[in-house]
Amino acid sequence: NAGVTQTPKFQVLKTGQSMTLQCAQDMNHNSMYWYRQDPGMGLRLIYYSASEGTTDKGEVPNGYNVSRLNKREFSLRLESAAPSQTSVYFCASSEVGGPNIQYFGAGTRLSVL
Amino acid sequence: AQTVTQSQPEMSVQEAETVTLSCTYDTSENNYYLFWYKQPPSRQMILVIRQEAYKQQNATENRFSVNFQKAAKSFSLKISDSQLGDTAMYFCAFMRGYSGNTPLVFGKGTRLSVIA
Repeated sequence: NAGVTQTPKFQVLKTGQSMTLQCAQDMNHNSMYWYRQDPGMGLRLIYYSASEGTTDKGEVPNGYNVSRLNKREFSLRLESAAPSQTSVYFCASSEVGGPNIQYFGAGTRLSVL
Repeated sequence: AQTVTQSQPEMSVQEAETVTLSCTYDTSENNYYLFWYKQPPSRQMILVIRQEAYKQQNATENRFSVNFQKAAKSFSLKISDSQLGDTAMYFCAFMRGYSGNTPLVFGKGTRLSVIA
């Protein structure tokens, strides 16, 4: 019963490096989301995909790109990492017309030096 | 735009006592959901309770209950018979609409410590 799986769990990058955070869900959910969590800030939306084939910006999209590869997978890419992107990243998914609950992955702790 | 405010950054409670966490929100929407999520030190986000805006009855889940005051835009969480395992960050969150495909807007969280 995997739910939402994020990889990797931890990552250290140098400024300017690129990387992709992977997210996959096995609940056949239509909608997927990327949030970041910073101390004292709660969770803030980066991008989301309301359905396969669509993506929309959230509150803090600068420096990120996303790809909804298929219904299961939604990746987040940092093209040129900056120290300000040091954060914990969460992926979540939800079902359209369902109980309106978002299910979260375990998070990825990213440090940019 | 919606905003969610949690005015208590930190709280503590004795084991077996009752504690109430506050949350207020601002929206012009009439259709929405409200949630409380728990984040223990493991970092996992765990749904505690949810409330549909159209329901007047307050939601309850075992030791957890809410006081939903729609006119006042208030959504507090009451934890009864607090247990050490309740120690965590608690986030209040707002979801616009009833379709299930809109993002959550979170408050900044309240860190709750349960003391033995």
